[in-house]
Amino acid sequence: GAVVSQHPSWVICKSGTSVKIECRSLDFQATTMFWYRQFPKQSLMLMATSNEGSKATYEQGVEKDKFLINHASLTLSTLTVTSAHPEDSSFYICSASGREAGELFFGEGSRLTVL
Amino acid sequence: SQELEQSPQSLIVQEGKNLTINCTSSKTLYGLYWYKQKYGEGLIFLMMLQKGGEEKSHEKITAKLDEKKQQSSLHITASQPSHAGIYLCGAVRGSNYKLTFGKGTLLTVNP
Repeated sequence: GAVVSQHPSWVICKSGTSVKIECRSLDFQATTMFWYRQFPKQSLMLMATSNEGSKATYEQGVEKDKFLINHASLTLSTLTVTSAHPEDSSFYICSASGREAGELFFGEGSRLTVL
Repeated sequence: SQELEQSPQSLIVQEGKNLTINCTSSKTLYGLYWYKQKYGEGLIFLMMLQKGGEEKSHEKITAKLDEKKQQSSLHITASQPSHAGIYLCGAVRGSNYKLTFGKGTLLTVNP
């Protein structure tokens, strides 16, 4: 079964609204989680590293004020797309390292469509 | 240029045939992950290779890491329709599981 779960799996929103996506590690604690974005037929691009109890680290070119990340507990990281626009429509997916060295699991992904 | 190049970009094989997918890095490889993805779905972890020359197998899938060539190959033996999907390689960048991904190889297995 899934060890990293995302919610919602898909969401449609109006332009200008904010959308929150959750990423949960189900049976382990994850001090670090990662958020990726994937456009159709493209590869996954790392957006940011989510650190429990501290600020997220964003990759170059990713607007931190637009993509708010909160990692308030050891099992939950959230990504909020603020004032979403159609160009933010994408597949957002998170990952977390597992208990064993080298384990890295991904969530099921969340498809965002901004109208 | 792409940091991780996967080849081929797409592959169509007949059920029962063997196939190989390659992943070549333009930078030093510290670790290499292989995942399978159905379009629009999450990534299924296949295996992780860390040491040069390391080879791992899971069911009919074998992956090798050639550190000197900065390359990894994924081999599927006696392919089945259930193997169809997008295969992604991800290279470790740094010590905390940040991955850089290739563009993927789309595998179609015809029954």
